[in-house]
Amino acid sequence: KAGVTQTPRYLIKTRGQQVTLSCSPISGHRSVSWYQQTPGQGLQFLFEYFSETQRNKGNFPGRFSGRQFSNSRSEMNVSTLELGDSALYLCASSLTGQGFEQYFGPGTRLTVT
Amino acid sequence: KQEVTQIPAALSVPEGENLVLNCSFTDSAIYNLQWFRQDPGKGLTSLLLIQSSQREQTSGRLNASLDKSSGRSTLYIAASQPGDSATYLCASGDSSYKLIFGSGTRLLVRP
Repeated sequence: KAGVTQTPRYLIKTRGQQVTLSCSPISGHRSVSWYQQTPGQGLQFLFEYFSETQRNKGNFPGRFSGRQFSNSRSEMNVSTLELGDSALYLCASSLTGQGFEQYFGPGTRLTVT
Repeated sequence: KQEVTQIPAALSVPEGENLVLNCSFTDSAIYNLQWFRQDPGKGLTSLLLIQSSQREQTSGRLNASLDKSSGRSTLYIAASQPGDSATYLCASGDSSYKLIFGSGTRLLVRP
């Protein structure tokens, strides 16, 4: 069974631009979560989707948004990029999210210049 | 608000040594506790998941325990190998559909 895939793996953007990251969960998994990892803040929760509905959102500004499609694939969007948005963005999938094992993808490394 | 702490932040041991990594959490109302491994610049690899009703889980040379009453979990690695060198993260899961991560323990196993 294929694992969680994320595209692109690397991105370089300029301040003020916007970016869209994609995540394909493990087949059969309906819950997708997004996390931001930085050296200073560690791993921080962005949001979680299940059956196209956002069930929880972390403490991030409105520039960070996401969505989930009917096939459980998910995208996250960051608008008006800031230097501080440079991070590794990780996607995780699980069967239903609550109480089930989370499987992470390889991440997307975003660099904002 | 749940807080997860991992001690030590870094650990260096000679090959073959048995070792214990510690994870503590402030709110015992957890659904589960999951241990991950992360290699530099890579994603997280799930190692073990312990449900709140369980006391321990084992996978090969790894054994994880959970004591909800004291807010602690430990990851025991037997007969460590250089390939075990990585950052180990613990995370608590609860009813909020999110994981709360510790800051990790960076492990170096010296040949």
